[in-house]
Amino acid sequence: SQQGEEDPQALSIQEGENATMNCSYKTSINNLQWYRQNSGRGLVHLILIRSNEREKHSGRLRVTLDTSKKSSSLLITASRAADTASYFCATDPRAQKLVFGQGTRLTINP
Amino acid sequence: DTAVSQTPKYLVTQMGNDKSIKCEQNLGHDTMYWYKQDSKKFLKIMFSYNNKELIINETVPNRFSPKSPDKAHLNLHINSLELGDSAVYFCASSGGAGVETQYFGPGTRLLVL
Repeated sequence: SQQGEEDPQALSIQEGENATMNCSYKTSINNLQWYRQNSGRGLVHLILIRSNEREKHSGRLRVTLDTSKKSSSLLITASRAADTASYFCATDPRAQKLVFGQGTRLTINP
Repeated sequence: DTAVSQTPKYLVTQMGNDKSIKCEQNLGHDTMYWYKQDSKKFLKIMFSYNNKELIINETVPNRFSPKSPDKAHLNLHINSLELGDSAVYFCASSGGAGVETQYFGPGTRLLVL
């Protein structure tokens, strides 16, 4: 099974609502990253949180990391139609390699 | 300016053929990667090069052969294509080896008939 697993697999909300996605992983990490992938495009880096950090903000994004539970969450506030995409967490269970989960497919309905 | 570019964007070919995908980055990064994304969106690393040296070689059939002529380029050659090779292949780069922020290309959609 994968190092990082996102939950839920799919999420559909109304524009303006907040969206929360979760990521769980198995082994210890140095950092955890979140990426966005729009349909038919490559992945775009959103935010990196280090293992000694608990929370990080970037614009409408808030990421938390709980190393004791081996989990992270990504919160997107005041969602917009343009936030429709798949969101992936990526961890570094060992040096030199990122391991991606299968992603959460987020749909923002107008 | 495109940071990480790949060619071609689409590739449709017959089983048994040999094909190549090219990748170039203009970010001055030392490390480049090839990933495969399957139909379920699962993204898995295949290879990684740091300063033209192979540093990651995952369990990939030896029909796949990466080549890095210089730090800015990483190509992927696939021999004897099989139906199961159909996927989207992404090139990526990062400033250091592996755990830093990675910058992805737009992907090459390969369909083997």
